[in-house]
Amino acid sequence: GQSLEQPSEVTAVEGAIVQINCTYQTSGFYGLSWYQQHDGGAPTFLSYNALDGLEETGRFSSFLSRSDSYGYLLLQELQMKDSASYFCAVPQDDKIIFGKGTRLHILP
Amino acid sequence: DSGVTQTPKHLITATGQRVTLRCSPRSGDLSVYWYQQSLDQGLQFLIHYYNGEERAKGNILERFSAQQFPDLHSELNLSSLELGDSALYFCASSVDRRHLDEQFFGPGTRLTVL
Repeated sequence: GQSLEQPSEVTAVEGAIVQINCTYQTSGFYGLSWYQQHDGGAPTFLSYNALDGLEETGRFSSFLSRSDSYGYLLLQELQMKDSASYFCAVPQDDKIIFGKGTRLHILP
Repeated sequence: DSGVTQTPKHLITATGQRVTLRCSPRSGDLSVYWYQQSLDQGLQFLIHYYNGEERAKGNILERFSAQQFPDLHSELNLSSLELGDSALYFCASSVDRRHLDEQFFGPGTRLTVL
């Protein structure tokens, strides 16, 4: 079967760093995507890793290890507006499989 | 604003009814994807159309169907509605079927079945 596992909730303090992990089991693998979704809003694309290593985009970075079937999203200098759900996703065979999402709570 | 539009924004209907949700992709995007998101759930892939042709199906119920028209807008038809069909329905578009790495989502249609 195909599955993506990520923690259901993570809590961090404003200004800190938080890492959201994602492990996947898929038949065939092209890359790992990350999406952010605020309550009541639409998912928005954050990053995509096709190759192993770290991709940095401003305060957000995403990492992939294909040999470990594992990736993570790293959020630095957390701001209250980063409170949202974060989904990892795997594109596959003309469709995309999403994890169940990690709700990030940020404490002031 | 992603450039993807969906109508209506909200829909309230009764069990047994039929509804049509509409999506217009970003200008130039050939692929349209439909997703269902129930309360506190992830995004469940329903179906993907590319340039008018069905490319992939997820766990889409037989009561649900979709199509993509020559102008590339898409419609998702939900029939014999049940209470459990209440959810947010998103469509997303991408440039072509190879660009599975980045999808642009519309604002969603919130369907409530009473």
